Amino acid sequence: EDQVTQSPEALRLQEGESSSLNCSYTVSGLRGLFWYRQDPGKGPEFLFTLYSAGEEKEKERLKATLTKKESFLHITAPKPEDSATYLCAVQARGGGADGLTFGKGTHLIIQP
Amino acid sequence: DTEVTQTPKHLVMGMTNKKSLKCEQHMGHRAMYWYKQKAKKPPELMFVYSYEKLSINESVPSRFSPECPNSSLLNLHLHALQPEDSALYLCASRPTSGEWYEQYFGPGTRLTVT
Repeated sequence: EDQVTQSPEALRLQEGESSSLNCSYTVSGLRGLFWYRQDPGKGPEFLFTLYSAGEEKEKERLKATLTKKESFLHITAPKPEDSATYLCAVQARGGGADGLTFGKGTHLIIQP
Repeated sequence: DTEVTQTPKHLVMGMTNKKSLKCEQHMGHRAMYWYKQKAKKPPELMFVYSYEKLSINESVPSRFSPECPNSSLLNLHLHALQPEDSALYLCASRPTSGEWYEQYFGPGTRLTVT
């Protein structure tokens, strides 16, 4: 069974204080690992897809990296508007239009 | 454009009512999904449609009935729901060619069952 574990569950940072969120996964064969941002009461917003170990992607203050067992979402000099829940999800190989398996998310608060 | 739209935004219904949720996308995606999300929990997969055919039903109770009338539309028909069915219902779609694994989510319908 595919499993995704995110840590920490919650993180409070000061504006400008960089940090990293962790996503560890167990999957029979990784097709893709995804990061989403979700604001309260809204749908998840797609951020990144990572396909293979060693891959990195960046967008503004966010950088996602992938190893064979985990992914990190690095946040550099965050701003209050980066406050949200960050979700990690995996899709396993197996063919077909399978759904995503999500972690429970990291609730990030950036204080001004 | 990576927009998935959902209507209504909010829905309050009694346990004897029949209502429907609607999802629409015009990105040419041929895989569409329904997820259910309870407060402070991650989304949970309910149904998957691939090329307008139901391919996955994650043991969802029959009071939820999905329908995919064409490649752009996805409906979720609701009947005789229970208060524990109150949640955010999310629709998602993804392309089936190219970098075709990433799913794009709609804003969700907040459902309250009284």
